[in-house]
Amino acid sequence: GAVVSQHPSRVICKSGTSVKIECRSLDFQATTMFWYRQFPKQSLMLMATSNEGSKATYEQGVEKDKFLINHASLTLSTLTVTSAHPEDSSFYICSARIGVTNYGYTFGSGTRLTVV
Amino acid sequence: DQQVKQNSPSLSVQEGRISILNCDYTNSMFDYFLWYKKYPAEGPTFLISISSIKDKNEDGRFTVFLNKSAKHLSLHIVPSQPGDSAVYFCAASEQGAQKLVFGQGTRLTINP
Repeated sequence: GAVVSQHPSRVICKSGTSVKIECRSLDFQATTMFWYRQFPKQSLMLMATSNEGSKATYEQGVEKDKFLINHASLTLSTLTVTSAHPEDSSFYICSARIGVTNYGYTFGSGTRLTVV
Repeated sequence: DQQVKQNSPSLSVQEGRISILNCDYTNSMFDYFLWYKKYPAEGPTFLISISSIKDKNEDGRFTVFLNKSAKHLSLHIVPSQPGDSAVYFCAASEQGAQKLVFGQGTRLTINP
């Protein structure tokens, strides 16, 4: 089946530094990718929708300048957390839509970000 | 504004019995509903879905029921197996929209 490979799975960084998370679609082209954030014991909250070759659409309350999303190719989308702070510590998950049907979403394995 | 709600944070069921996970929604524009299973430190995996034109969809041990008038859906797992222990998320989408809206999740524990 369609697979989205997400890296790194876990990262610890110092406060003030930037961290890049990559999501690659394997064996299929992902024109649209979604980035979610999950706090412990809470729901997956959509942060932004990225379309290949265009600017990402951010959800209300998500800082565009802090969470930079790039979707330069049909198989790669990246999320960069800039000037990370401890409150950015969370579980970040990407998702790609693999078809026109509503069940055509596949998720990456997630990235646990810890900012110290 | 939580448009999709899973009011039970956890559920414990005996192996072999039926597990029933519930989900409520407030947005009447939602027309497609999905259930995902998630293990710790992994991304969600798709389980089963249902369109608003149906009230039931079955796939092996998993059945999803939709009650549109009550804006309620449920996932039934029977018989429950230890491998079913995970967090289950309900998600919904509007026609024409790309994004999914997730509930808070319910942690299901199947006891031997």
